[in-house]
Amino acid sequence: ETGVTQTPRHLVMGMTNKKSLKCEQHLGHNAMYWYKQSAKKPLELMFVYSLEERVENNSVPSRFSPECPNSSHLFLHLHTLQPEDSALYLCASSPQPVSSYNSPLHFGNGTRLTVT
Amino acid sequence: GQQVMQIPQYQHVQEGEDFTTYCNSSTTLSNIQWYKQRPGGHPVFLIQLVKSGEVKKQKRLTFQFGEAKKNSSLHITATQTTDVGTYFCAVTSGSRLTFGEGTQLTVNP
Repeated sequence: ETGVTQTPRHLVMGMTNKKSLKCEQHLGHNAMYWYKQSAKKPLELMFVYSLEERVENNSVPSRFSPECPNSSHLFLHLHTLQPEDSALYLCASSPQPVSSYNSPLHFGNGTRLTVT
Repeated sequence: GQQVMQIPQYQHVQEGEDFTTYCNSSTTLSNIQWYKQRPGGHPVFLIQLVKSGEVKKQKRLTFQFGEAKKNSSLHITATQTTDVGTYFCAVTSGSRLTFGEGTQLTVNP
């Protein structure tokens, strides 16, 4: 149990589908993140939310749309994805935004996404 | 954004041998974090270094932050099969935490 729960664990979708990834943190943290992890690439930051406000959008294509309805929940809405979007999508949370010292990230188990 | 180079990319060792991974930056870092990701798992926070020249130990793991705060290392003494995984350094720039490419460690029993 990581304290950060992601669903689903695995997702296969066609390029014309619309799906959503869900993340829930039970740690009382104020910041949440989406990262993308592809094979042979470093972890890529996608979005950062601090107190439900988006503070970072790392030049992510518009086919990825984040939503943070409250400080415990984070969604990533997906539509018209491409095969190269297949990756492990990791959600994380931290007590405060990383700009504060001593704010390590707590990751969920990730959603393994395959786009066919 | 802030970038770090991490070397080596891969390291294969015999159980009992030592292991070191390095992170290097061209700019001065405010702090550096280290994470471990087991195969099939997610990154898990290990430690954060903040002070110039700081050295911290966790059992067989020793973490160092360079005097100029531009580099850091993680050293494992007498590796065990449980040490298998990818070790990442990560640095802060504003609200971003940017990860290095990681060093994938395999340990032969």
